[in-house]
Amino acid sequence: KNQVEQSPQSLIILEGKNCTLQCNYTVSPFSNLRWYKQDTGRGPVSLTIMTFSENTKSNGRYTATLDADTKQSSLHITASQLSDSASYICVVSALTGGYNKLIFGAGTRLAVHP
Amino acid sequence: GVTQSPTHLIKTRGQQVTLRCSSQSGHNTVSWYQQALGQGPQFIFQYYREEENGRGNFPPRFSGLQFPNDSSELNVNALELDDSALYLCASSFERGANNEQFFGPGTRLTVL
Repeated sequence: KNQVEQSPQSLIILEGKNCTLQCNYTVSPFSNLRWYKQDTGRGPVSLTIMTFSENTKSNGRYTATLDADTKQSSLHITASQLSDSASYICVVSALTGGYNKLIFGAGTRLAVHP
Repeated sequence: GVTQSPTHLIKTRGQQVTLRCSSQSGHNTVSWYQQALGQGPQFIFQYYREEENGRGNFPPRFSGLQFPNDSSELNVNALELDDSALYLCASSFERGANNEQFFGPGTRLTVL
C-alpha cells in the first residue's frame, strides 16, 4: 500500500533556531518527492520537488534531502522565522495508469515562538 | 492563480453540493483533494482536457466536470457527516509527473 509517514507530528521551536522534519515513504512506482508548506485554512504551496536522481535541493532557508535507497527524505529549516509557523507536508508522486497521483503525508505542524 | 468558491459552505446530511475551481490560465489538468482536519489531502480525481483521467478511493457520488474555460466543478451527492472537510483543487500544465500542481485556497464544507 502506498504510504507517506512524517515525524514528528508537531514541533515547537524558538525563533532563529534550526529544525529538521522527517518523511518516510513506501510508494511505487516512485516519480518524485515534494515538500509543501500549508498555512492554516489555506492551500499547500510548493517548497521543493526532487526526482529519483536528486539528493538535495534548496529553496532559500529550506533544504530538502532525498535518499531513494532508504526511501527517506528530510526538510531542514535554517534560522526559523515566526512566518515559518505552518504545516509542512511531504508528498510523493506515483505515476499510476498514465496519471500523476500525489500521496500526501499527514504533515508536521511547526510552531515558531518568539 | 487558482481560485475556489465558495470559501465556506454548510449543508445538511443528504443534500447535494457543487464546489467550483478556476484554474491558472493555460493549465489543462485539474485535480481535486479532500483534506480532513489534521490530515493530509486525499486524492479524489483528476481531469485532463475535460475527461476524467484518474480516480482515488471515493464513491461515485463524488463526480466532477472540467470546462474549456479553465473552470471545473466537484459535485457531491447524498452528503454524509464524514464529507465535512477542506476541499482543494490544484491545476497544472499537462499531466507530467514532474509538473508542478498549484493549489487553490480550498472550500471548507461542513455537513450537519
